[in-house]
Amino acid sequence: ETGVTQTPRHLVMGMTNKKSLKCEQHLGHNAMYWYKQSAKKPLELMFVYNFKEQTENNSVPSRFSPECPNSSHLFLHLHTLQPEDSALYLCASSQVYLDTQYFGPGTRLTVL
Amino acid sequence: GQQVMQIPQYQHVQEGEDFTTYCNSSTTLSNIQWYKQRPGGHPVFLIQLVKSGEVKKQKRLTFQFGEAKKNSSLHITATQTTDVGTYFCAGQAGATNKLIFGTGTLLAVQP
Repeated sequence: ETGVTQTPRHLVMGMTNKKSLKCEQHLGHNAMYWYKQSAKKPLELMFVYNFKEQTENNSVPSRFSPECPNSSHLFLHLHTLQPEDSALYLCASSQVYLDTQYFGPGTRLTVL
Repeated sequence: GQQVMQIPQYQHVQEGEDFTTYCNSSTTLSNIQWYKQRPGGHPVFLIQLVKSGEVKKQKRLTFQFGEAKKNSSLHITATQTTDVGTYFCAGQAGATNKLIFGTGTLLAVQP
């Protein structure tokens, strides 16, 4: 499946680094999402963009900063992360807000 | 806050045995979605249920939405090794309109 792509697939960063995760959807969808998946925890919805407008920010720390320049692209800018932020970060899109989610392969992030 | 719990957390079955995972919400849901995540993969959409008491089938998989729209189940008949993975439910609550994922059930199938 190549409907939703994410880069990089793996990322190792130090706590003082700044990095960005990229997501692109080729499905013509209007909504895009960032999720965090940690071991033994349910999927956590972080941010939602609907028609490029941010509609949800689920109490995510400010060291995570999303950006949605258009309906096809979504970024997650990372700075001064903590080791507990290590997780799989999944991007998803849907045709309609909160409808069926199409997930990308994820970025496995390790914070040292 | 709204919670969606799944049981069991983990199930190990012999190939050919049946498997069921249950999803329970603390609030009434407008709809429920089911996803499967293979080991090392990402969640893939399986199905959505909207109506009270709705039952849908996909080959060996049977999905059910409770009458009160607060619980759901996924039943797999005669499991195969290809069924291995984590099954998530995701409920959308009508009042808050949030999409909340369940804790997931990891299914292991021994050949």
